Amino acid sequence: GAGVSQSPSNKVTEKGKDVELRCDPISGHTALYWYRQSLGQGLEFLIYFQGNSAPDKSGLPSDRFSAERTGGSVSTLTIQRTQQEDSAVYLCASSLARLAVGSNEQFFGPGTRLTVL
Amino acid sequence: SQQGEEDPQALSIQEGENATMNCSYKTSINNLQWYRQNSGRGLVHLILIRSNEREKHSGRLRVTLDTSKKSSSLLITASRAADTASYFCATGPRSNDYKLSFGAGTTVTVRA
Repeated sequence: GAGVSQSPSNKVTEKGKDVELRCDPISGHTALYWYRQSLGQGLEFLIYFQGNSAPDKSGLPSDRFSAERTGGSVSTLTIQRTQQEDSAVYLCASSLARLAVGSNEQFFGPGTRLTVL
Repeated sequence: SQQGEEDPQALSIQEGENATMNCSYKTSINNLQWYRQNSGRGLVHLILIRSNEREKHSGRLRVTLDTSKKSSSLLITASRAADTASYFCATGPRSNDYKLSFGAGTTVTVRA
């Protein structure tokens, strides 16, 4: 595709329910990132996938959050037992393989706005 | 804690004027990037400056980097209404520079 796509664009859920957010990276990009942006804040790093390497999950805020990337392409971020503080915009980004240090421009999707009631 | 922090938080200028915003960071970096965000959704990459570069230009954008002061500036010249957006600097630690850290951003409003 032309760019990173995410679905759904908006998700409203009730506290305690599970949600799945999807990201389709740019074709050929081996690196994929998930971020969270709370209202009026900067982006918070959540997780990073690079090729077939083990993902860097150090940014996940709790064990209710998990992510997977199937076939080195599409990624799903799952939030279990959602809480009101999970309300935020969840952004996905992808980038080319890091051929050299200092070349990690990231291309962002439009985000999923999650509202937990 | 946030690696990159932008200053000022908000900026309002007249169309045609220049807009300058600054970014400070804390640890050694390989590069620093600036992104733009419209309407609180996806970010658009503007420019990347490497740690061995001091200044870089892209169209109406000029970025400087001072690694001794751990700071960067973004200048938008001859601003347009379409430049109205939030601007973020992003850095990553030298050892894991994929883990970008973003500040809270500078919100720029360009008045027609």
